[in-house]
Order: sequence, then C-alpha cells, then structure tokens
Amino acid sequence: KAGVTQTPRYLIKTRGQQVTLSCSPISGHRSVSWYQQTPGQGLQFLFEYFSETQRNKGNFPGRFSGRQFSNSRSEMNVSTLELGDSALYLCASSRVLAGAYNEQFFGPGTRLTVL
Amino acid sequence: KQEVTQIPAALSVPEGENLVLNCSFTDSAIYNLQWFRQDPGKGLTSLLLIQSSQREQTSGRLNASLDKSSGRSTLYIAASQPGDSATYLCGLGGATNKLIFGTGTLLAVQP
Repeated sequence: KAGVTQTPRYLIKTRGQQVTLSCSPISGHRSVSWYQQTPGQGLQFLFEYFSETQRNKGNFPGRFSGRQFSNSRSEMNVSTLELGDSALYLCASSRVLAGAYNEQFFGPGTRLTVL
Repeated sequence: KQEVTQIPAALSVPEGENLVLNCSFTDSAIYNLQWFRQDPGKGLTSLLLIQSSQREQTSGRLNASLDKSSGRSTLYIAASQPGDSATYLCGLGGATNKLIFGTGTLLAVQP
C-alpha cells in the first residue's frame, strides 16, 4: 500500500510570494492534517480536513489556508510569504472510525525556504 | 491547554543497551498517544499507538506504556542498535483528530 505522498519535496520562494503544497493520503484515508515543523517551535498543527471540510484549525494567521478534494487529496496554500514561514511542512492521513481516533501516518514533508 | 514534555532532550548510549524515553503531559483527557521516530530531514514514522483505554503496546523491541492518571508515557527500546538513532516524538490526540507534540528526544546509539 502506498504511503502518504507530498509534492514538491523542496521549494525556494522569496518574501511576498505565495506557495501551494500538495498531499495525497493513503488510499481509503479520508482525514488529512497539516503540520509545520521548525527548530524553534517544533511541530505545530495547522488544520485538518475531512470529507472536503475543514474540521479543525490551529493558531496560524489567515495567510495559511487549505482545501481537500473529493478524492481526499489536499492542498495547502501560504500567501504573502514571510521569512518565518521557512519550515518543513508535513501532511498526515488517517482513517476516521466512529468513536475512535486512529493512527496517523505522515508523509516525507515539503521543505520550504523563504529568502 | 495541553503541554507535552519529553525528557531527556538528548541521549547517547552504547549499542545493546536497553533504554527508556519519557513523555509527560498536563491534561489527562486524551484519546490516544502515538510514538514516532524522525530521521534528519525526513517525515515521521509511526512506531506505536496507544488508545486511552490501553495501558501498553508492543512492537518488536519497542514497548510503550501509558498512565493517564500520572500524565506519563514511556517508550522502552530493548537491545538498542545504531539504526535506532533518530529523534523520538510523542504526539497526544484529544477530542479532535489533532496531535500535540513534545519537543522530542534525540537518541544516538554508538556502535
């Protein structure tokens, strides 16, 4: 079974630009979550999508947005990039069964560098 | 607000040693706890998932325990190997499908 895939793996952008990252979950997984990882703040939750709807959102500015498609693939967008947005962006997928939260599987991440 | 602490922040051991990594949390109202390893520059690899109703889980040389009343989880690694060198993270799942992570323990196993 293929794992979670993320594209692109590496990105270099300049301040003020926008960027779109993509995540394909494991087949059959309908929940996709995004996390930002930086040396200073560690792993922080951005948002979660389930059945094309954002269910949960972390404490990030509105420049960070996302969406999920009918095939469960998800994209996140960061507009007006700032130097502090340089990070490893990780996507995780899971099955969601009634009454239980299941194991989350992470992709390899997208390394974003903002110059 | 849930706060997660992992001690020690770094650990170096000789090959073959058994070791314990700790994860402490402040809010016992968790749904599950997941242990991960992360190699430099890579994503997270799931090691073990413990549901809130469980006390421990085992996979090969790994054993994870959960004590909600004391706000603690431990990851026991038996007969450590150089390939176990990585950062180990615990992630706590609450009422939503969102994980709150500790800052991790950087493990180095010396040959």
